[in-house]
Amino acid sequence: EDQVTQSPEALRLQEGESSSLNCSYTVSGLRGLFWYRQDPGKGPEFLFTLYSAGEEKEKERLKATLTKKESFLHITAPKPEDSATYLCAVQETSGSRLTFGEGTQLTVNP
Amino acid sequence: NAGVTQTPKFQVLKTGQSMTLQCAQDMNHNSMYWYRQDPGMGLRLIYYSASEGTTDKGEVPNGYNVSRLNKREFSLRLESAAPSQTSVYFCASSLYRPPYNEQFFGPGTRLTVL
Repeated sequence: EDQVTQSPEALRLQEGESSSLNCSYTVSGLRGLFWYRQDPGKGPEFLFTLYSAGEEKEKERLKATLTKKESFLHITAPKPEDSATYLCAVQETSGSRLTFGEGTQLTVNP
Repeated sequence: NAGVTQTPKFQVLKTGQSMTLQCAQDMNHNSMYWYRQDPGMGLRLIYYSASEGTTDKGEVPNGYNVSRLNKREFSLRLESAAPSQTSVYFCASSLYRPPYNEQFFGPGTRLTVL
């Protein structure tokens, strides 16, 4: 059974204070690892897909990396508008279903 | 493009009532999904449709039924609502043609069952 564990559950940063969010996963065969951002009262918004260990993707202040057991979402010099819940999900090679972690709630204070 | 749309946005039901949640996508995606999101539980898959004409159970299918009406529309029905079905429901769709496997989500339906 696929498992996804995200840490920490919640993270408070000061504006400009860089940090990383962790996503550990167990899957029989990885088709892809996905990062989403979710704002309060809204649906998840797609950020990145990573397919193989060593892969990295960047978008503005966010950088996602992937190893064989975990993924990191690095946030460089965050701004208050980066405050959201960040969700990680894995997709097996055998199908289209995603298994989600519970998310990390990020708050960036001005 | 509107993306994924869901109706209604909010709904309050009494125990035992039935209702259908509607979802439509205009991205010509092959696959569609229904999730529920509860505090501390994350997003859990209820049912999905890998392609038009097929539906399969997800992690938490009990108490729900689905219909893939056509390629655009995928509905979720609660036949006899229970308080345990109080949740936020999200519909999603994906092209599901590698490497384009990412899912795109609708805005959600907030359901309360009294």
